[in-house]
Amino acid sequence: DTAVSQTPKYLVTQMGNDKSIKCEQNLGHDTMYWYKQDSKKFLKIMFSYNNKELIINETVPNRFSPKSPDKAHLNLHINSLELGDSAVYFCASSPRQYPTNEQYFGPGTRLTVT
Amino acid sequence: GIQVEQSPPDLILQEGANSTLRCNFSDSVNNLQWFHQNPWGQLINLFYIPSGTKQNGRLSATTVATERYSLLYISSSQTTDSGVYFCAVDRLIKAAGNKLTFGGGTRVLVKP
Repeated sequence: DTAVSQTPKYLVTQMGNDKSIKCEQNLGHDTMYWYKQDSKKFLKIMFSYNNKELIINETVPNRFSPKSPDKAHLNLHINSLELGDSAVYFCASSPRQYPTNEQYFGPGTRLTVT
Repeated sequence: GIQVEQSPPDLILQEGANSTLRCNFSDSVNNLQWFHQNPWGQLINLFYIPSGTKQNGRLSATTVATERYSLLYISSSQTTDSGVYFCAVDRLIKAAGNKLTFGGGTRVLVKP
């Protein structure tokens, strides 16, 4: 009965590789998000999608490309990985975009780029 | 953008003690959430509290939206309360979409 799930939980890869992180929610929510938590624990929004439509792209390098095949899934593809991409990436979802929402977070994917 | 400041940055408690964590924000908000990030890294929803007071067991929270702050109370702390507590807010500018802006967190360590 997992609400927001992410795969993989851990990802270790070398610089220059391309990798993907998958997210699925079974809450019936319309809106999904990607957040990044850096090594100092600071959390920041990257993207949000509402019903498969990109709503927020928070000045993220275009090496990061989110894709939403349906409103229950939001995947994150990262090209040409760099050392600075090492972080924990959290997927989240919320029931509606407007006027209020409560966001629920997945367990996170710890990405380590060597 | 909106600024979110949490205090104190670090808190060490003896088991059984009570404590108050504070979150100040720089503009009016329509969404405020408190999270607990446990030592395994999971972000657990504690409260969705854009205004008013809520209680859940030993935890309670109060948001005074007009004065732009929220408080999280931990009573009779237990070692399982250790972790980082985050406050996050959303201004909800419709065209811009929803996004939570997080504070820097309060790192709590409860000693047995």
